[in-house]
Amino acid sequence: LAKTTQPISMDSYEGQEVNITCSHNNIATNDYITWYQQFPSQGPRFIIQGYKTKVTNEVASLFIPADRKSSTLSLPRVSLSDTAVYYCLVGALDGSAGGGNKLTFGTGTQLKVEL
Amino acid sequence: ETGVTQSPTHLIKTRGQQVTLRCSSQSGHNTVSWYQQALGQGPQFIFQYYREEENGRGNFPPRFSGLQFPNYSSELNVNALELDDSALYLCASSLAKGVLQFFGPGTRLTVL
Repeated sequence: LAKTTQPISMDSYEGQEVNITCSHNNIATNDYITWYQQFPSQGPRFIIQGYKTKVTNEVASLFIPADRKSSTLSLPRVSLSDTAVYYCLVGALDGSAGGGNKLTFGTGTQLKVEL
Repeated sequence: ETGVTQSPTHLIKTRGQQVTLRCSSQSGHNTVSWYQQALGQGPQFIFQYYREEENGRGNFPPRFSGLQFPNYSSELNVNALELDDSALYLCASSLAKGVLQFFGPGTRLTVL
């Protein structure tokens, strides 16, 4: 699975838009990009997934440029409850990456939202 | 809520003991993956079960073993516990060969 690189931490204030960028230079043709959110002592929670261009759901947007070597998770108007660790992962949706379709997590980005 | 449940929530064991953790997958999902998450680290893949057979394994010793049952629930067994086994153990379920995995709340294991 492609290795990802993301900032270790980010700080923001309530009401601001937060953009977290993830680099994945070795992304394969059949890899999708998935973002998870994790609160302390809880399991990661799926946020959004995409393959190219832009994907939007009720909680976030995911921007993927044409070369797909990076992606940006955008959280509109964050609140204190968005303080969490955010993980970017890439992997083949059809399991063709092998290895049992394991998800390879990095250390993620610790987002801290203040008043 | 993902529909993935794990038991127990917390567990305390002593070094050398054995432990069994349990996971019930989301309805319709036939694949279960297990992860170990040490404090301050991202989850690390232990192994995955698909239709009752191991379908990939991470860099964990043989004393980490698992089972998947016909109803797709799963167990993680760890023998000869070591202090470094203290971690949050996460179970995730998915449709076969799908990267989109849904995680349970985890089991916090403390080894003394």
